[in-house]
Amino acid sequence: GAGVSQTPSNKVTEKGKYVELRCDPISGHTALYWYRQSLGQGPEFLIYFQGTGAADDSGLPNDRFFAVRPEGSVSTLKIQRTERGDSAVYLCASSSGGLTGELFFGEGSRLTVL
Amino acid sequence: TQLLEQSPQFLSIQEGENLTVYCNSSSVFSSLQWYRQEPGEGPVLLVTVVTGGEVKKLKRLTFQFGDARKDSSLHITAAQPGDTGLYLCAGPEWGSQGNLIFGKGTKLSVKP
Repeated sequence: GAGVSQTPSNKVTEKGKYVELRCDPISGHTALYWYRQSLGQGPEFLIYFQGTGAADDSGLPNDRFFAVRPEGSVSTLKIQRTERGDSAVYLCASSSGGLTGELFFGEGSRLTVL
Repeated sequence: TQLLEQSPQFLSIQEGENLTVYCNSSSVFSSLQWYRQEPGEGPVLLVTVVTGGEVKKLKRLTFQFGDARKDSSLHITAAQPGDTGLYLCAGPEWGSQGNLIFGKGTKLSVKP
């Protein structure tokens, strides 16, 4: 596709459940980023992939959060044992260069944990 | 910890007015970026400033990077309803290849 695609756009789940959020980056972009945006806040860094490997996962809040990018393209963010505090919009971005270049963001996946 | 503070948090103005929003830090950044985000959308890059004192213009928008590379401003001339949105500044964390630090943003509303 022309832009970064994220699915689902909306996910409502119950506390304690497992969720997966998918990101399909712009074709050819080697760098992929996951951010989380809570209401009234700016995006907060979670994890960065360069190719298939997680080059920086320092933003993951705890071990319930995990992300993969097995073939260097599509990435999946996985959240185990969801908590109400996980409710937020999860944004994915991709780029062809570093952080001084342009990050192209998807529309986000809005996660609501009841 | 590098932080970016944006002010004002909210701004509501009439069409045709001028405005300036600010992005400040106590830390030096190698570069700063400005994004605009509309409801239900991801942020979209407006500009990147790299050199201290740099001024960049994008139509009615003027961006300035402070001489010490600790602050930036965005000035909009003759605001239009289409300028409505959340304006975010962001800068790379020192030593990180992936962490772009964002401010909380300025929510701008331009009324016709």
